[in-house]
Amino acid sequence: AQKVTQAQTEISVVEKEDVTLDCVYETRDTTYYLFWYKQPPSGELVFLIRRNSFDEQNEISGRYSWNFQKSTSSFNFTITASQVVDSAVYFCALSGGTYKYIFGTGTRLKVLA
Amino acid sequence: DTGVSQDPRHKITKRGQNVTFRCDPISEHNRLYWYRQTLGQGPEFLTYFQNEAQLEKSRLLSDRFSAERPKGSFSTLEIQRTEQGDSAMYLCASSLIWDSRETQYFGPGTRLLVL
Repeated sequence: AQKVTQAQTEISVVEKEDVTLDCVYETRDTTYYLFWYKQPPSGELVFLIRRNSFDEQNEISGRYSWNFQKSTSSFNFTITASQVVDSAVYFCALSGGTYKYIFGTGTRLKVLA
Repeated sequence: DTGVSQDPRHKITKRGQNVTFRCDPISEHNRLYWYRQTLGQGPEFLTYFQNEAQLEKSRLLSDRFSAERPKGSFSTLEIQRTEQGDSAMYLCASSLIWDSRETQYFGPGTRLLVL
């Protein structure tokens, strides 16, 4: 069975602090895909990144970076120099390369001014 | 390029009534998904279409739920005889499947409250 665990229910940081959101996954598929989505208060899920299981290269996009480690089944997300606009619920998701996504329960990030 | 749109954005209904939601995917996307999200949880898969064919339904989708995508474009999700437990956010997503890779793009959701 596939499973995604986001153990951090809620994190609060002060603006300009760095913050890391953890994601641990379980799957028996050899080929799979991992995703991060942002859900602001408006409710729409905003796609941030997709990572393929055969590509462990870490990625940086502006203030966002992702650390994928197959050895620990983790796909963590770091926001550098956080801003108030980063406040949202962040979801990690897993797909076995077929169709449906399995989401974690989300981490609510509050960035305080 | 417009994103996924959903209508209505909010719906309040009384228990026992029927409701219908609409989803318009990104044009040329051939897959369309429905998810349900309850408070404090991540979205849960309900069903998906490839073009007009409904290829899978989750166990979460009881007999009171029906989804259609008649011409492979927009989709509707109908809930008959609503129950309070149906209160949730209903999310639609679309994707373009090619070379076994795809990314699902989500709409703003329809928030349903059953009184």
